[in-house]
Amino acid sequence: SQTIHQWPATLVQPVGSPLSLECTVEGTSNPNLYWYRQAAGRGLQLLFYSVGIGQISSEVPQNLSASRPQDRQFILSSKKLLLSDSGFYLCAWSHGGNQPQHFGDGTRLSIL
Amino acid sequence: GENVGLHLPTLSVQEGDNSIINCAYSNSASDYFIWYKQESGKGPQFIIDIRSNMDKRQGQRVTVLLNKTVKHLSLQIAATQPGDSAVYFCAGGGSNYKLTFGKGTLLTVNP
Repeated sequence: SQTIHQWPATLVQPVGSPLSLECTVEGTSNPNLYWYRQAAGRGLQLLFYSVGIGQISSEVPQNLSASRPQDRQFILSSKKLLLSDSGFYLCAWSHGGNQPQHFGDGTRLSIL
Repeated sequence: GENVGLHLPTLSVQEGDNSIINCAYSNSASDYFIWYKQESGKGPQFIIDIRSNMDKRQGQRVTVLLNKTVKHLSLQIAATQPGDSAVYFCAGGGSNYKLTFGKGTLLTVNP
């Protein structure tokens, strides 16, 4: 069966520091991969998605970037974190369009 | 683009009752809809999905109804249990790879 892993589960970072969140998927090949941010009490905002290695689509202009160095690895990065980058970051995978997206358990990021 | 939202932000039910959570969408081109359950501190968990060529789909204790005429879908949970307490999200999508999520409804089940 397929599994998705995100780490770390929680992270506290100072303003201006770099960020790297990693997401890996097991048990499937060539998945679509997604990064979302969820503000407290809100829905999910799509940040990036990828349909293949090295292919990244950005949904909103922001301080973050994404990379997909391997088929089942998706990384969310920032060179300098802002206070507004705080939130709950979720990674998801799917087999394609009009298919369920399956989520990891997220990373709670707090910026101080 | 897609605009998916929920009618009520909170819903409180008694254990054993049926729950109905509603969702509206605005994009007529949307042809795929999905419901998720999210417990505190966890990622959303897939419950059930439905494609636009159907108007009803049933799972274990859950039913999704889709009314394309009024762009409305609902999630019905039968015999609601305390473990069903969570935030429920609807999401909609089209032929691309993206889903647009509603804001969520908090379901509280009272024992």
